[in-house]
Amino acid sequence: KQEVTQIPAALSVPEGENLVLNCSFTDSAIYNLQWFRQDPGKGLTSLLLIQSSQREQTSGRLNASLDKSSGRSTLYIAASQPGDSATYLCASTGAGSYQLTFGKGTKLSVIP
Amino acid sequence: DAGVTQSPTHLIKTRGQHVTLRCSPISGHKSVSWYQQVLGQGPQFIFQYYEKEERGRGNFPDRFSARQFPNYSSELNVNALLLGDSALYLCASSLGTESYIQYFGAGTRLSVL
Repeated sequence: KQEVTQIPAALSVPEGENLVLNCSFTDSAIYNLQWFRQDPGKGLTSLLLIQSSQREQTSGRLNASLDKSSGRSTLYIAASQPGDSATYLCASTGAGSYQLTFGKGTKLSVIP
Repeated sequence: DAGVTQSPTHLIKTRGQHVTLRCSPISGHKSVSWYQQVLGQGPQFIFQYYEKEERGRGNFPDRFSARQFPNYSSELNVNALLLGDSALYLCASSLGTESYIQYFGAGTRLSVL
């Protein structure tokens, strides 16, 4: 059974700092990995999806990497802004599986 | 273009009652999945439907059921509500099953008293 872990559970940084969020998974036979953002009481916004054959994806100030052999993915946020404050969730899809398995998320606070 | 829409946004029920939650996928998407998110936790997979057939079921009791209609919209039904069913219920749609980005709706917040 796939387990996804996100550390730290919460992170507070000053505005302008670059930061890295971590995601680890127990089963390396994943089909893809997706990063989401969730604002309080809201649904999920898809940020980046990395297929198992890829090593990274970039969108604006966001860069996500995937290392299947070590069971890790990272989300890099450059030049953080107060509007980046939210909970960030990673989720994997296993080969032959239709479900997303989520971590508990990292709650990010960017202080002006 | 409209995103994934869910209704209602909020719902209050009492123990033992039944509830129906609704989801309309993005136009052209044929896959709909349902997730339950308890406060402070990541979403947990409940069901996936593709082309009106159930393609996956999570570890939830038989009180939970769902269906997908010919227009690809979906309903999630929960019978005999328990206090522990209080959660944010999220619907996601995608073009297909495994390799496609899943797009989530804003969710339905269910409170069971």
